[in-house]
Amino acid sequence: AQSVTQPDIHITVSEGASLELRCNYSYGATPYLFWYVQSPGQGLQLLLKYFSGDTLVQGIKGFEAEFKRSQSSFNLRKPSVHWSDAAEYFCAVAPLGGFGNEKLTFGTGTRLTIIP
Amino acid sequence: DTAVSQTPKYLVTQMGNDKSIKCEQNLGHDTMYWYKQDSKKFLKIMFSYNNKELIINETVPNRFSPKSPDKAHLNLHINSLELGDSAVYFCASSHIQGDTEAFFGQGTRLTVV
Repeated sequence: AQSVTQPDIHITVSEGASLELRCNYSYGATPYLFWYVQSPGQGLQLLLKYFSGDTLVQGIKGFEAEFKRSQSSFNLRKPSVHWSDAAEYFCAVAPLGGFGNEKLTFGTGTRLTIIP
Repeated sequence: DTAVSQTPKYLVTQMGNDKSIKCEQNLGHDTMYWYKQDSKKFLKIMFSYNNKELIINETVPNRFSPKSPDKAHLNLHINSLELGDSAVYFCASSHIQGDTEAFFGQGTRLTVV
């Protein structure tokens, strides 16, 4: 069964500092990988996704993520955070080729707090 | 235009009541989902429908009954609501195959008192 681990429950970063949120997955093959963001009281918005090809993917809001097969990781990064980036971030995996009879499996989330 | 829309956004009700949450997507997707987000923000799938047919049914009490009248709609009916049902429920949709992601609604915050 596929699973996702986000080891950091809560991260606090100063505005303007760099950010890295960790994500590790467990799956029999290379899955599809996603990062979603949930702002307070809001739904889930896709930041970026990896299906195949270049292992460094660019997303919205200045975020990027790097897929490392050897480490089963898909860490999210941003060079300089803004106060508006404060939110809950979820890493998720789905089977290669689409959802089929499987599902999108989420990590437990990382809450990001930004301090002035 | 909202891609995946859920109604209502907030729902406060008493224990024992029956309530429904509606979901509609205008993306032409063939698969729709219901996820439950608990108080610790954990997102867990409840159901998945593909072209109106149930394909995923996780361990969910049978008080929860999804209904898909067509592939653009997936409603969630909950009977005999309990305090532990309080959560945020998210509807989502996607294509079942191919390079695609799931699109989520804004969520319905259900509070059972």
